[in-house]
Amino acid sequence: DTGVSQDPRHKITKRGQNVTFRCDPISEHNRLYWYRQTLGQGPEFLTYFQNEAQLEKSRLLSDRFSAERPKGSFSTLEIQRTEQGDSAMYLCASTQDIDWYGYTFGSGTRLTVV
Amino acid sequence: GQQLNQSPQSMFIQEGEDVSMNCTSSSIFNTWLWYKQDPGEGPVLLIALYKAGELTSNGRLTAQFGITRKDSFLNISASIPSDVGIYFCAGPPDNDMRFGAGTRLTVKP
Repeated sequence: DTGVSQDPRHKITKRGQNVTFRCDPISEHNRLYWYRQTLGQGPEFLTYFQNEAQLEKSRLLSDRFSAERPKGSFSTLEIQRTEQGDSAMYLCASTQDIDWYGYTFGSGTRLTVV
Repeated sequence: GQQLNQSPQSMFIQEGEDVSMNCTSSSIFNTWLWYKQDPGEGPVLLIALYKAGELTSNGRLTAQFGITRKDSFLNISASIPSDVGIYFCAGPPDNDMRFGAGTRLTVKP
């Protein structure tokens, strides 16, 4: 297992377009998290899944954002009608239930909205 | 919401020097974590602290969980160039992790 994988690493999109990012967590990890990080700031929580169930969503996750984890394995994060303010690094992390604080982060997807 | 304040925001030090940075919270944490992030990468966990007063080391890194449970510090001894990066404190108020804004460390050879 090579860790948490995110795809793509970089995405440039025009304002108003939809984008989708993928995260493949470590295979035995039940919990999967999405974070957003803007320049000069720490990661901010967006949402998390326990297996396929989405258990919590931040108020940062507007109705243009949707996340899924259909089979409890990989997850996707979609942003509809992108805005320039959506430009950020989108980080995915996973952990086992019993090692709750041992988050393993992926390398992130850097989104630039032009 | 939960506030984590890290200081200093940035540090410029000479190779071989020791470094100290800290983090304070507006409320009590039961766990403190320290992460390091290299450019273009996700954060990597350095040290986790689970008990007030706990002092934990990981190589040249030492972190302490403050007695008040509202603060933590991270020390790096004998810094080397690969210590360059952004150091984040983090803690879980609920079912997710909240991060400070980070301390950016630059090490001059």
